[in-house]
Amino acid sequence: NAGVTQTPKFRVLKTGQSMTLLCAQDMNHEYMYWYRQDPGMGLRLIHYSVGEGTTAKGEVPDGYNVSRLKKQNFLLGLESAAPSQTSVYFCASSPSGTSGSNEQFFGPGTRLTVL
Amino acid sequence: AQSVAQPEDQVNVAEGNPLTVKCTYSVSGNPYLFWYVQYPNRGLQFLLKYITGDNLVKGSYGFEAEFNKSQTSFHLKKPSALVSDSALYFCAVRPYTGGFKTIFGAGTRLFVKA
Repeated sequence: NAGVTQTPKFRVLKTGQSMTLLCAQDMNHEYMYWYRQDPGMGLRLIHYSVGEGTTAKGEVPDGYNVSRLKKQNFLLGLESAAPSQTSVYFCASSPSGTSGSNEQFFGPGTRLTVL
Repeated sequence: AQSVAQPEDQVNVAEGNPLTVKCTYSVSGNPYLFWYVQYPNRGLQFLLKYITGDNLVKGSYGFEAEFNKSQTSFHLKKPSALVSDSALYFCAVRPYTGGFKTIFGAGTRLFVKA
């Protein structure tokens, strides 16, 4: 099993450009998440999905959009990149369960720089 | 407001000595508690979690954590540190009734000196 994979690993954008980050998982997990990691701030949830075709906003959703057309894939889009979106982006997945006690499995991250 | 605090930005310990990485939290109700580790240029890896029951939880790579309800703490410990334990450690809390939101601490960098 590859686990959770992310594409691309690195990207440099100019302000105003758009891009899509791809996350794929092969563990048949229902739940998927997008986080951003900034120095001294831990991880902050951008958007999440509880199943194919469903998405919801997290803690810092502004400037991002997501789609979950297939269970194994979760896409994060930046429509008009801004320097404030320079960060490391992590995708994660977890099994379903109503208790919320399941741990998350993380991808290797995408380092995005917006000039 | 719900929060997780890791009061130390960095912990330095000599190889072979015991280590402790501190975590305290402020959430309503009874939360689920997690520790994750991040090695350079890698994603977070799950170490251990507390759901219910015994306050001492054992996890991967010889790590353990002690849940203290009265002090709302979940400190990570290891009896004998290894140089290879050097990494960034994150405490995370998911409120029992909080849906899918997991609150992460800012992280503590552990440096183990040979």
